[in-house]
Amino acid sequence: DTAVSQTPKYLVTQMGNDKSIKCEQNLGHDTMYWYKQDSKKFLKIMFSYNNKELIINETVPNRFSPKSPDKAHLNLHINSLELGDSAVYFCASSLRDRNPAGEQYFGPGTRLTVT
Amino acid sequence: KNQVEQSPQSLIILEGKNCTLQCNYTVSPFSNLRWYKQDTGRGPVSLTIMTFSENTKSNGRYTATLDADTKQSSLHITASQLSDSASYICVVSGQAGTALIFGKGTTLSVSS
Repeated sequence: DTAVSQTPKYLVTQMGNDKSIKCEQNLGHDTMYWYKQDSKKFLKIMFSYNNKELIINETVPNRFSPKSPDKAHLNLHINSLELGDSAVYFCASSLRDRNPAGEQYFGPGTRLTVT
Repeated sequence: KNQVEQSPQSLIILEGKNCTLQCNYTVSPFSNLRWYKQDTGRGPVSLTIMTFSENTKSNGRYTATLDADTKQSSLHITASQLSDSASYICVVSGQAGTALIFGKGTTLSVSS
């Protein structure tokens, strides 16, 4: 009965590789997000999708490409991985137009280590 | 510039004691303010969400306050427990459709 799930939980890879992280939510939410948490524990939003449409795209290198095949899934593909991409990536979901603005439910995170 | 500042950066207290964490923000226009708890190795979990018109909201031993005039919020933890050891993150939302602004968090350690 996991609400927001991510796979894999840990990902170790070499510089230059391409990798994907998958996210699924079973809450019936219409909005999904990707966040990056750096070594200083600072969370920063990367992307947000509402009903499969990109609504937030922060200043993220175009090596990062989100893909939303349906409302329940938001995958993150990263090309040409760099050392600075090492971080914990969190997926989250919410009901966007709920009043107050939808509470976000976070996944368990994917720890990416680029060597 | 939209910013969320939290203090203190870290805090150590004895089990059973109370503590208060602070959050100041400059986000405008303001929609709502949230407090999240993040345990080590886990995703953040929502504690409270407050809109402009709400001054206080409680969730068990957690009580959040909001002063929209001074743009300040606090999170008060009563009778702390070892399981309260975590990072507490203040998050402010602007108008609908805009990104959430996260604070850097306060790391709380509760010792026995």
